[in-house]
Amino acid sequence: GAGVSQSPRYKVAKRGQDVALRCDPISGHVSLFWYQQALGQGPEFLTYFQNEAQLDKSGLPSDRFFAERPEGSVSTLKIQRTQQEDSAVYLCASSLGQVNTEAFFGQGTRLTVV
Amino acid sequence: RKEVEQDPGPFNVPEGATVAFNCTYSNSASQSFFWYRQDCRKEPKLLMSVYSSGNEDGRFTAQLNRASQYISLLIRDSKLSDSATYLCVAFTWGGGNKLTFGTGTQLKVEL
Repeated sequence: GAGVSQSPRYKVAKRGQDVALRCDPISGHVSLFWYQQALGQGPEFLTYFQNEAQLDKSGLPSDRFFAERPEGSVSTLKIQRTQQEDSAVYLCASSLGQVNTEAFFGQGTRLTVV
Repeated sequence: RKEVEQDPGPFNVPEGATVAFNCTYSNSASQSFFWYRQDCRKEPKLLMSVYSSGNEDGRFTAQLNRASQYISLLIRDSKLSDSATYLCVAFTWGGGNKLTFGTGTQLKVEL
């Protein structure tokens, strides 16, 4: 596809359930970012991949959050034992990986934990 | 204190007005800066990069002051379609690259 694709677009999870969110970056993009955006807030950094290497996971809020990009393209963000405070939009972005190149965002996955 | 700070607004301005947004960043290691636009329930999209020399794109002018760690965006002749949230972004390049976003400034352009 031409852009960053995320699935599912919407996810409702019961508290305690595990969820997996998928990101298909733009082909050839080296850098991949995950962000969490709560209502009325800017996107908050979660983690960064350069190809398959997870170089920064400092933004992951707890050990319930796990991300992977095993082959350097598709990435999955997994949240275990979801809690209500995990409700947010999860945005994925990719870029060519150079200093001034644009990061392109997917439409996000809106997660609601009930 | 957040690494990138913006006034959340909202800024309510009449069509045709000039409006300015300011942003400060605290990480002096940040190398590149951007303004992104985010419409309601949509993903952020790049509006423009920000250079020390200042750059202009039509009605939009962005400026960076590295000494003061300050970034600005000026919108002239506001249109109804400019209504959105404007996100200030600092990029830090290194072993782990990071785009750090401000909270965003909401603009509402009214008739």
